[in-house]
Amino acid sequence: SYELTQPLSVSVALGQTARITCGGNNIVSKNVHWYQQKPGQAPVLIIYRDSNRPSGIPERFSGSNSGNTATLTISRAQAGDEADYYCQVWDSSTVIFGGGTKLTVL
Amino acid sequence: EVQLVESGGGLVQPGGSLRLSCAASGFTFSDYSMNWVRQPPGKGLEWVAYISSSSGSGTIYYADSVKGRFTISRDNAKRSLYLQMNSLRDEDTAVYYCARDGAGGLYYGMDVWGQGTTVIVTS
Repeated sequence: SYELTQPLSVSVALGQTARITCGGNNIVSKNVHWYQQKPGQAPVLIIYRDSNRPSGIPERFSGSNSGNTATLTISRAQAGDEADYYCQVWDSSTVIFGGGTKLTVL
Repeated sequence: EVQLVESGGGLVQPGGSLRLSCAASGFTFSDYSMNWVRQPPGKGLEWVAYISSSSGSGTIYYADSVKGRFTISRDNAKRSLYLQMNSLRDEDTAVYYCARDGAGGLYYGMDVWGQGTTVIVTS
């Protein structure tokens, strides 16, 4: 079965750029979505189909997908960006989520 | 306002059953495919089930972990999504979210989520 691999945690200094990776076999062939989840809240879609932002999502959030790695980039990180981030794809009639990455803003 | 509201969670013994509901408002429910996604305490997201929109020929998919035990269904007239959960196990303990697929279908991500309902399976 298809697997998505994310780092357990990523740290970023306030105002700097954070990059969260999502690894999967030939993931470039799939549509990758990214979700942000803050404690006690439901997930929020922040990137869909690799690099598209839903309305209301700041331009600071961007996504890319190449080879075996998809990447979520958060520019000018803010304290409010501290959250868990999950990547997601469809594979063989199944939704796959990555294990999630906890982003800490220092 | 586009909204999903889950209900039906609670405490249940192993082997028991529970039916979750998700009430949709603010959009044409029948036009969208829907999902159930769960999150065990302190853990990540786990997809549970998918059901297509009214134009999707009633396509349904399940995660292997719930296949044969859970049933997803929808009532477009009532603008509601359901999850019938039978033969519940300890590992089914989780917050259960209903989530809408984007306007383009299942390849557009889940763009609207409910607040979740908690299911606790315990003896």
